[in-house]
Amino acid sequence: AQTVTQSQPEMSVQEAETVTLSCTYDTSENNYYLFWYKQPPSRQMILVIRQEAYKQQNATENRFSVNFQKAAKSFSLKISDSQLGDTAMYFCAFMKRVVRTGTYKYIFGTGTRLKVLA
Amino acid sequence: GAVVSQHPSWVICKSGTSVKIECRSLDFQATTMFWYRQFPKQSLMLMATSNEGSKATYEQGVEKDKFLINHASLTLSTLTVTSAHPEDSSFYICSATVAGGSEQYFGPGTRLTVT
Repeated sequence: AQTVTQSQPEMSVQEAETVTLSCTYDTSENNYYLFWYKQPPSRQMILVIRQEAYKQQNATENRFSVNFQKAAKSFSLKISDSQLGDTAMYFCAFMKRVVRTGTYKYIFGTGTRLKVLA
Repeated sequence: GAVVSQHPSWVICKSGTSVKIECRSLDFQATTMFWYRQFPKQSLMLMATSNEGSKATYEQGVEKDKFLINHASLTLSTLTVTSAHPEDSSFYICSATVAGGSEQYFGPGTRLTVT
């Protein structure tokens, strides 16, 4: 079974600084996707960034980038120039295709609560 | 694009009653919808996967007779919590994917409080 581990329950960072959130996962699959989602106090899940496992290049979205180490099964999120609006819960998620049903299944980590300090 | 809505956003019901939560894809056809449950300060736990026109697939440990899921159309899935009890109080989130798509689009969630 796949598992996703986020070892940092809480983190804080000063505004404009850089912070890295860690995520490791366990799977025997070769084809899968990895995501980082942000859940602000409104509790609306917002996609931050996604990575296809077959791509070696690390995904980047503006101030957000990942360090994807497939062999180590590691998928960390780096937030540069942190802003107050980045304060939220961040979930790492693993997704694979379920062959039997043809659908995709997400498995979420336990989350990291990030607080950006003014 | 890819907006998912949920209704209601917050519902309070008495123990023993049933409550229905709707999940709608507003601007796309969702062949698959997912229902998650999230306890305070915890992660999202997948409850079930529903495909339009077929029975939902429930995750291990989820009571299918208690959490009834109906995916009647390509834009609507409903979750009915039957004979609700206080321990069913939680935040319920739905998500949807387009045909062949991998990304899930999440609804804003529904807070259920059972008194």
